[in-house]
Amino acid sequence: AQSVAQPEDQVNVAEGNPLTVKCTYSVSGNPYLFWYVQYPNRGLQFLLKYITGDNLVKGSYGFEAEFNKSQTSFHLKKPSALVSDSALYFCAVRDGGGDYKLSFGAGTTVTVRA
Amino acid sequence: DAMVIQNPRYQVTQFGKPVTLSCSQTLNHNVMYWYQQKSSQAPKLLFHYYDKDFNNEADTPDNFQSRRPNTSFCFLDIRSPGLGDAAMYLCATSRDRAGGPDEQFFGPGTRLTVL
Repeated sequence: AQSVAQPEDQVNVAEGNPLTVKCTYSVSGNPYLFWYVQYPNRGLQFLLKYITGDNLVKGSYGFEAEFNKSQTSFHLKKPSALVSDSALYFCAVRDGGGDYKLSFGAGTTVTVRA
Repeated sequence: DAMVIQNPRYQVTQFGKPVTLSCSQTLNHNVMYWYQQKSSQAPKLLFHYYDKDFNNEADTPDNFQSRRPNTSFCFLDIRSPGLGDAAMYLCATSRDRAGGPDEQFFGPGTRLTVL
């Protein structure tokens, strides 16, 4: 079985401040981890993924994520948030030893105030 | 640009009146998915096609059906929509291959309203 937890329903930050969105996962095999962003009335947009290798993954729009195997976490980060980063963020996991379906977290709404 | 296209973007139907949502892709991906998403919740997988092989999720109601006539197109049929079926329906594609995985690419979604 595989699952994802996003412990924060909402994250509020001021523009220019660092942004962190938390994600923890559970899988039987090796984890394949993804972050997606969703703007209102739009589909999900892929931000970045971790498959193997370097624990720090860089993605689109200045986002990065750090894979931590011991803590089973894959937190999304951005050094300096923009108002345009305000959106709904989903973490997802796929079991490398299982099938290719994704399990999504419940989502975290990010609000960046000017 | 290669992409996933969904039509229509907004669909209004009446209670019990069948409706079909369409998805097309220019990515030539072998896997296509249909998700249901309600009120900014996590997308819920309804079913997916691996090439021509149909895979239904265990908890997907019988009211939902799907067709994939070729690699590029996939349809979601809701035979008798109920008020509880009002949601955003997302189509996604991925390329499943050894040495993967590739990420899923999502369409913009179709927002279904049931009156």
